[in-house]
Amino acid sequence: GEDVEQSLFLSVREGDSSVINCTYTDSSSTYLYWYKQEPGAGLQLLTYIFSNMDMKQDQRLTVLLNKKDKHLSLRIADTQTGDSAIYFCAERPEGYQKVTFGTGTKLQVIP
Amino acid sequence: DAGVTQSPTHLIKTRGQQVTLRCSPISGHKSVSWYQQVLGQGPQFIFQYYEKEERGRGNFPDRFSARQFPNYSSELNVNALLLGDSALYLCASSPDRGPNYGYTFGSGTRLTVV
Repeated sequence: GEDVEQSLFLSVREGDSSVINCTYTDSSSTYLYWYKQEPGAGLQLLTYIFSNMDMKQDQRLTVLLNKKDKHLSLRIADTQTGDSAIYFCAERPEGYQKVTFGTGTKLQVIP
Repeated sequence: DAGVTQSPTHLIKTRGQQVTLRCSPISGHKSVSWYQQVLGQGPQFIFQYYEKEERGRGNFPDRFSARQFPNYSSELNVNALLLGDSALYLCASSPDRGPNYGYTFGSGTRLTVV
């Protein structure tokens, strides 16, 4: 079955880059997502990548995928205090409906 | 356009009681999924409904059930509540069964069982 793992906590200074890492286990074609959750709120989809891609960039966000190691990362450039939140990595194998989430990485941005 | 709306936002129930949570998907979306998020963990898949039929079920006991109505709104029912059912229940909608671009989530219903 699918398993998604993330580190629990990351602290960065405002203006620096943040890199949040994730590993997944499913070996079939899969979609990989990054969601953001602010306190007391639902999940906001930030970006996604299919497992046949290596990289995707969207404004301040860059997603890198190492298919060999099943390692996914989310880089946030010029991190702002408003980026403080919990970031979830998630995967959904192609053809399936279930999305498997990691435990989330809490990003703390220090002014 | 309204996003995914869930009601109520918060509720408190006693062990053994039954609860019904409601979700209205984005207009035009035919798929609704339910997730349970226990404090400090990632969301766990409970159900997916598409075109009023169950299309996927997670590893949850039979105390959990759901249905989807002709207008694509959905209800999640939990019977014989346990303390461990305390969680944020999230509803997600999509136009079809498995969109490449992911699901849109509501803000959730915070259920506390005492």
